[in-house]
Amino acid sequence: GAVVSQHPSRVICKSGTSVKIECRSLDFQATTMFWYRQFPKKSLMLMATSNEGSKATYEQGVEKDKFLINHASLTLSTLTVTSAHPEDSSFYICSAHMGGDQPQHFGDGTRLSIL
Amino acid sequence: QKEVEQDPGPLSVPEGAIVSLNCTYSNSAFQYFMWYRQYSRKGPELLMYTYSSGNKEDGRFTAQVDKSSKYISLFIRDSQPSDSATYLCAMSVTGTGTASKLTFGTGTRLQVTL
Repeated sequence: GAVVSQHPSRVICKSGTSVKIECRSLDFQATTMFWYRQFPKKSLMLMATSNEGSKATYEQGVEKDKFLINHASLTLSTLTVTSAHPEDSSFYICSAHMGGDQPQHFGDGTRLSIL
Repeated sequence: QKEVEQDPGPLSVPEGAIVSLNCTYSNSAFQYFMWYRQYSRKGPELLMYTYSSGNKEDGRFTAQVDKSSKYISLFIRDSQPSDSATYLCAMSVTGTGTASKLTFGTGTRLQVTL
């Protein structure tokens, strides 16, 4: 149980393109979803926390208008990287949390490459 | 000082060895402690999850939490080449909503050799 699906797994696109990444909890309802960014050989950096039906809470230094987060239902959150540039190239990972004393479960990540 | 300190390694051990991975932390409010395993180009996979102090065992894995020393450990017995990965410790203050956000260690790269 506790499967989190992230799609797509790999994106290569031109500079200026907007890219949408989906994160779905397949067998549980996620009251909270988290979005992380990971650079090579580095740990995960939390970008934002989203609760279903409310605005996301962004970490310091993360541009809200650049990284749009929507958490429309208890099983789906999306991250849109708007007008992506090469410096946005990274590994983006989501996690889902069903609340209470349960741990977070992670998706398999999306490798984004902006040319 | 970082909130969570973890030796980045790499740590290289022969197959069958007992592996000890550790993290120290400074925030005494942390109550939930996790170990995740991450293979290259994959998301973290939950290995162990403990609340407050104590030991927890699951197969070849044992997690220990010592809140008085602000120190957590993961032991891997009879290590296998398939255990080669990066191991991340993570912790949170509560298990609810935005306050459940995780603080990660930097991760320790483990290599189990034949």
